[in-house]
Amino acid sequence: EAGVAQSPRYKIIEKRQSVAFWCNPISGHATLYWYQQILGQGPKLLIQFQNNGVVDDSQLPKDRFSAERLKGVDSTLKIQPAKLEDSAVYLCASSLGQTTNEKLFFGSGTQLSVL
Amino acid sequence: ELKVEQNPLFLSMQEGKNYTIYCNYSTTSDRLYWYRQDPGKSLESLFVLLSNGAVKQEGRLMASLDTKARLSTLHITAAVHDLSATYFCAVDMSGTYKYIFGTGTRLKVLA
Repeated sequence: EAGVAQSPRYKIIEKRQSVAFWCNPISGHATLYWYQQILGQGPKLLIQFQNNGVVDDSQLPKDRFSAERLKGVDSTLKIQPAKLEDSAVYLCASSLGQTTNEKLFFGSGTQLSVL
Repeated sequence: ELKVEQNPLFLSMQEGKNYTIYCNYSTTSDRLYWYRQDPGKSLESLFVLLSNGAVKQEGRLMASLDTKARLSTLHITAAVHDLSATYFCAVDMSGTYKYIFGTGTRLKVLA
């Protein structure tokens, strides 16, 4: 079974530039998450999708971050313009979203450095 | 707002010793998860705890959940170097499938 795919693996940009990350969840997984993990901290939920609808984006800085999940499969997360404090690993995770013993399956993440 | 706290944040222990990591959370939930993260790697699911009193064991790790105390523990028995990693607990907010992660416990097992 293929896992959660993310790209790129690394990205270095200057502040005020824009960047986009891509995620392809496990086939059949209805729920998709984007997490931000700053070095030394736990993952922080940015946005949660159920199929192609947003369930929760309360922690997403909407003035600069946007995310979409067209057709309820793969997803993109965009930052525009980037700030120094956006330097982090961006993790995509997916789950079936249908049973009570759900666990998340994580991708390898995209490590973003904003200079 | 749900808060999830772990302690200790850092743990250095000798091989062969036992220790416990604690995870406290601030609001009602009956679903708690433990994940492991190796340096530079993504997160790997260890345990899913779904009810009060739930206990799961895998090798040298045992996890338990007390929903009344809003507390989960991850007990390490006879630690070995391969257990060195960062361990996170995550709590599902009221069955919403919205997972809030703890601060993490960075474990280092010394030979």
